[in-house]
Amino acid sequence: GENVEQHPSTLSVQEGDSAVIKCTYSDSASNYFPWYKQELGKGPQLIIDIRSNVGEKKDQRIAVTLNKTAKHFSLHITETQPEDSAVYFCAAGYFNNDMRFGAGTRLTVKP
Amino acid sequence: EAGVAQSPRYKIIEKRQSVAFWCNPISGHATLYWYQQILGQGPKLLIQFQNNGVVDDSQLPKDRFSAERLKGVDSTLKIQPAKLEDSAVYLCASSSRGVGPSETQYFGPGTRLLVL
Repeated sequence: GENVEQHPSTLSVQEGDSAVIKCTYSDSASNYFPWYKQELGKGPQLIIDIRSNVGEKKDQRIAVTLNKTAKHFSLHITETQPEDSAVYFCAAGYFNNDMRFGAGTRLTVKP
Repeated sequence: EAGVAQSPRYKIIEKRQSVAFWCNPISGHATLYWYQQILGQGPKLLIQFQNNGVVDDSQLPKDRFSAERLKGVDSTLKIQPAKLEDSAVYLCASSSRGVGPSETQYFGPGTRLLVL
């Protein structure tokens, strides 16, 4: 089955700096790669996703890149703000089935 | 639009006791998921329903866990008997289709279970 590894486990940046979180996956059949943000006491919330036929996707300050050959994908957050502080999870699956999540990255944005 | 509802929000039980969690998905969503999230880890899929049929329960410990979605709407997840290692947050999610092109999964707030 699919195995997703996520790095780093914790990340601290200064407000206004960029943050990058990286994930690798094992199953070449995976074709859907969402990123979730989880705040304390809440369920994960989708922030951006990418499909295997696209190499990059951007939504305002958030972007995701996918390298299918190397089986890795990354989340980029620019101009970070304190409200970006949360735990971020990457996931990989075949369409929306059999989704496997990474272990999470705790992002802290210091004002 | 109301989100995914879950209850209870917190539950404390002793090992070997039974516990049940309830989930009400977003209205009209055909696909429902139950995940287990152990502290410091990502969510792990336990079971996926499409309407009232099971699509995937390969990671559900069937000797103690069971789930049902009888009318294709609400769902319950039961643990009987509970073990210490079942302490986790149980998340319910729903999506409008879930099979075929990618669909956003919307998560509920979760039920935090502590087994003593």
